[in-house]
Amino acid sequence: EAGVTQSPTHLIKTRGQQATLRCSPISGHTSVYWYQQALGLGLQFLLWYDEGEERNRGNFPPRFSGRQFPNYSSELNVNALELEDSALYLCASSSQGTDTQYFGPGTRLTVL
Amino acid sequence: DQQVKQNSPSLSVQEGRISILNCDYTNSMFDYFLWYKKYPAEGPTFLISISSIKDKNEDGRFTVFLNKSAKHLSLHIVPSQPGDSAVYFCAASAGGTSYGKLTFGQGTILTVHP
Repeated sequence: EAGVTQSPTHLIKTRGQQATLRCSPISGHTSVYWYQQALGLGLQFLLWYDEGEERNRGNFPPRFSGRQFPNYSSELNVNALELEDSALYLCASSSQGTDTQYFGPGTRLTVL
Repeated sequence: DQQVKQNSPSLSVQEGRISILNCDYTNSMFDYFLWYKKYPAEGPTFLISISSIKDKNEDGRFTVFLNKSAKHLSLHIVPSQPGDSAVYFCAASAGGTSYGKLTFGQGTILTVHP
């Protein structure tokens, strides 16, 4: 069974640009979660999508947004990139009604 | 306010011995706890979890203990193997407005020496 997949693996952008990160959940999973792991910091919850709707949001500014598609894959968009947005962005998925989240390999975003 | 704390940044253990990783939490609303293992530049790998209605859960070499009164959980790895060397994160979830969000500790680097 394929795990959570994310693309791209690495992404380099400059300040002020927009970044789009993609995630495909494990087959049969309907929930997708996004986390940020910045250097020296732990994993911080960003967003949770379930059945196409945003269900919960972490303490991040509105320029962090996303969506979930009918096939349950998800995009994370970061607008007006700032240097401190440089981080590993992790996507996780879970099946309906369960609390265990399974993580993908992450996208390393570097903002220059 | 760090609600989940792993106070030991690192732990070094000899192969074959027991590794004990500890985690403390402050939020009494947490009702589900998980341990993940992470290698550099990779996503966390789920190891084992425990619901707040239990005080112990075992899966092979991994056992998680939960002490709700002390707001403390621990992960025991027996016997430890060199391949267990990684960063270990504990995480917790709660219902209500925090539903869906995992709160992570800062991680403990485990090194298992051959």
